[in-house]
Amino acid sequence: KAGVTQTPRYLIKTRGQQVTLSCSPISGHRSVSWYQQTPGQGLQFLFEYFSETQRNKGNFPGRFSGRQFSNSRSEMNVSTLELGDSALYLCASMDLAYEQYFGPGTRLTVT
Amino acid sequence: QQPVQSPQAVILREGEDAVINCSSSKALYSVHWYRQKHGEAPVFLMILLKGGEQKGHEKISASFNEKKQQSSLYLTASQLSYSGTYFCGTPGRDDKIIFGKGTRLHILP
Repeated sequence: KAGVTQTPRYLIKTRGQQVTLSCSPISGHRSVSWYQQTPGQGLQFLFEYFSETQRNKGNFPGRFSGRQFSNSRSEMNVSTLELGDSALYLCASMDLAYEQYFGPGTRLTVT
Repeated sequence: QQPVQSPQAVILREGEDAVINCSSSKALYSVHWYRQKHGEAPVFLMILLKGGEQKGHEKISASFNEKKQQSSLYLTASQLSYSGTYFCGTPGRDDKIIFGKGTRLHILP
């Protein structure tokens, strides 16, 4: 089975711009979660989608949004980028046994 | 609420044992353990469910004490490949998994 894929792997944006990240889960997995990882804060939960519905949401501002498509692929969008949004964004798909499998991540740098 | 991991960092020689603890201030339904190597994504190690069941994966095992609201990860006869950062994750009733800040493990030859 192919693993979780994320695109792009690296991204450099300027403050004020917006960005869209993409995640394709493992085939058959309907749950996709997004995390932000920074050296200071560790792994922080952004949101989770299940069957195209947002099931959970972390404590992030409304500039962070996401969606899931009928094929379980998910996108996350960050608008009006700030320097503090520089981080590794990880997506994870979860199977029915609640085991999460992470993608390689998208390294976002905001200048 | 974020689980608390201890210690924050450990340095061991190959062949030594290590214990990493994860505790929560709220009731635990399950505990997930992951390992992340530098520059890579976290990799699932195991999940422990209510009932205190101890699970194992090669020389890595874990226990879950729901009364004490904590879990411990045991690394026996550590190998160089065990180096990395270990995270515990605790789902709430809504299944949202919150991760601890991680424990950095460095194995010396």
